[in-house]
Order: sequence, then C-alpha cells, then structure tokens
Amino acid sequence: GAGVSQSPRYKVAKRGQDVALRCDPISGHVSLFWYQQALGQGPEFLTYFQNEAQLDKSGLPSDRFFAERPEGSVSTLKIQRTQQEDSAVYLCASSSPLGAGGKDNEQFFGPGTRLTVL
Amino acid sequence: AQTVTQSQPEMSVQEAETVTLSCTYDTSESDYYLFWYKQPPSRQMILVIRQEAYKQQNATENRFSVNFQKAAKSFSLKISDSQLGDAAMYFCAYATSGSRLTFGEGTQLTVNP
Repeated sequence: GAGVSQSPRYKVAKRGQDVALRCDPISGHVSLFWYQQALGQGPEFLTYFQNEAQLDKSGLPSDRFFAERPEGSVSTLKIQRTQQEDSAVYLCASSSPLGAGGKDNEQFFGPGTRLTVL
Repeated sequence: AQTVTQSQPEMSVQEAETVTLSCTYDTSESDYYLFWYKQPPSRQMILVIRQEAYKQQNATENRFSVNFQKAAKSFSLKISDSQLGDAAMYFCAYATSGSRLTFGEGTQLTVNP
C-alpha cells in the first residue's frame, strides 16, 4: 500500500471508555500529523511528530488525549475516558522531508477514523 | 495566530460551467504556502492545488487554477468545465514550511447535471 492507512475506520465507544486509533504513514515519511474534524467543520491540528519526537502537542484538547510514535513510523492516538464531545473524525497525515523527492509541505492524508461516543 | 476564512458554506454549479470558491487568510509571515483540498464523502482529503507565497505566478492544475492576491490575502479557486466528480467539500488551508495545516470552514460544492 502506497498511501496513509488508518484503523479502525469506525469506532463506537461508550462514554468513559478508552480508545486507541492507529495511523500507518507512507514509508519513509518522517513527519506525521494528527487532526480532529468535527461534523461540518474543517480539520483542526492536534499534534505533530518528526520521526519519534513529538515536536508540537499544542492542539491536544485535554490531558485525556495522548499520542505516540515510538519507532518513528506507526503512530497511535489514545483518548482516555472518552466524552461525547470527542466524537469526530480523526485524520492522520504524513509528509516527506525536504529534498527527498516530495514537494515541501505536501501532506498526504489517510481516510480517517470516525469516532462516535455514546 | 493564522486564520483561514471561507465565506461560502455552499456553492452550486452546472456541469461544464465555471465556479469560483473564495478564501481569505490572515498571517504576519512573509513566506508560507496555501492549499486547496477536496474531501468527498469518503473523507479522503485530496490535494487539489498548492501555491507558494513567494511565487507571483498563479498555480494551475488542469481544470483547476487559483487567483492569489498576496497583498489582499486572498486565495480563490476556479474550477473550469465542472464535472460531476468535482462535487465535494473544498477546504482552503495555510501552512508555513514544515508546519501544521490551518484549515478554513469549508465550502460544499454541488454540481448539477
């Protein structure tokens, strides 16, 4: 597979449950971004990794949100004690480093995970 | 903080006609990038066209072109010869080098046969 993949595509959780969302970036892409997209709105930034380093987590809405990328490839976004306001589509995007043949700043998106909290 | 504004929540166009989607942004940076993304119901965000702020020439990709007015901080998308497959939500987005994307609220485009 050449694109960004995300799993699961759909997740239904009861309020208070923990969830884990997975992102497999394009092979060789060092930058990885997570975005949250509420219904009918544009995506909003959550966090950014360069390799395994989390360089920016300023968009995480609360300390219930946690992201990791331990080996600089696959990333997991974890939400603890889910609330109804966490219901959204979670998008992952990756981009190649400058000079690696890809266009600077072109982020390639996965299909997203739609999270519904009941 | 950078902001992106799309003032048209919905637009419609007849098949084979031309439509223009509007976008304005606010930034204090001099070097940045602007993008138009298309998001069909499948949710896959697809890059339509990009513009580097340092380039004066407007970007063009087949039937898609932009009108980039740097002084006015305006970045509109023109779709020529509209096709049914163009129907989707369109997002304008901004980024500085290597950084996060800041998106507008989106414009839902309907193409009528």
